Amino acid sequence: EVQLVESGEGLVQPGGSLRLSCAASGFTFSSYAMHWVRQAPGKGLEYVSAISSNGGSTYYADSVKGRFTISRDNSKNTLYLQMGSLRAEDMAVYYCATCGGDCYFPFQHWGQGTLVTVSS
Amino acid sequence: DIQMTQSPSSLSASVGDRVTITCRASQGISNYLAWYQQKPGKVPKLLIYAASTLQSGVPSRFSGSGSGTDFTLTISSLQPEDVATYYCQKYNSALGTFGQGTKVEIK
Repeated sequence: EVQLVESGEGLVQPGGSLRLSCAASGFTFSSYAMHWVRQAPGKGLEYVSAISSNGGSTYYADSVKGRFTISRDNSKNTLYLQMGSLRAEDMAVYYCATCGGDCYFPFQHWGQGTLVTVSS
Repeated sequence: DIQMTQSPSSLSASVGDRVTITCRASQGISNYLAWYQQKPGKVPKLLIYAASTLQSGVPSRFSGSGSGTDFTLTISSLQPEDVATYYCQKYNSALGTFGQGTKVEIK
């Protein structure tokens, strides 16, 4: 069974940094592209970032480009999102997600999400 | 960047009604479109991919259609358990932009 478990929840001041993790199990992590999606309180889903299976290709939404960095450690079956220069509008539940096969989309599997709060 | 626009933003219908949600892409995306259902307090769930292919285990009252720029999600007979927000997502590139969502309620 595919399992994705996010961690790294926290309260950060505007301008601060935070790193999220997504621990994967139940599948060959190194074979799958991975993604981050976020959802601000009471708002819709917003696509954030993607990384290829070997980490060689990364993609970012314009809203986070230059501030967030996606990475992965296939030896630890873990996906990361390093977030910097955080703004109030970055406050959201962050989900990791994957297609679950030799594909980028669609997202068959989602984690439960981890909450990032940006406030002074 | 391609923008995805859903309509309506919310709707209220009676049990048994036929419900249609529209998703429009600002540029053609062939059939690279998925639909997700998110119930209150829950994680999104994949309903349909490739515009019209039903994900395994999803009730047959859900269906999708369209290609290019215009897509629809139809619930043929609305059930109480269908109360949720529905999102379209385009995936013709590495960035899978979502629509803004359509909230479905029971009248």
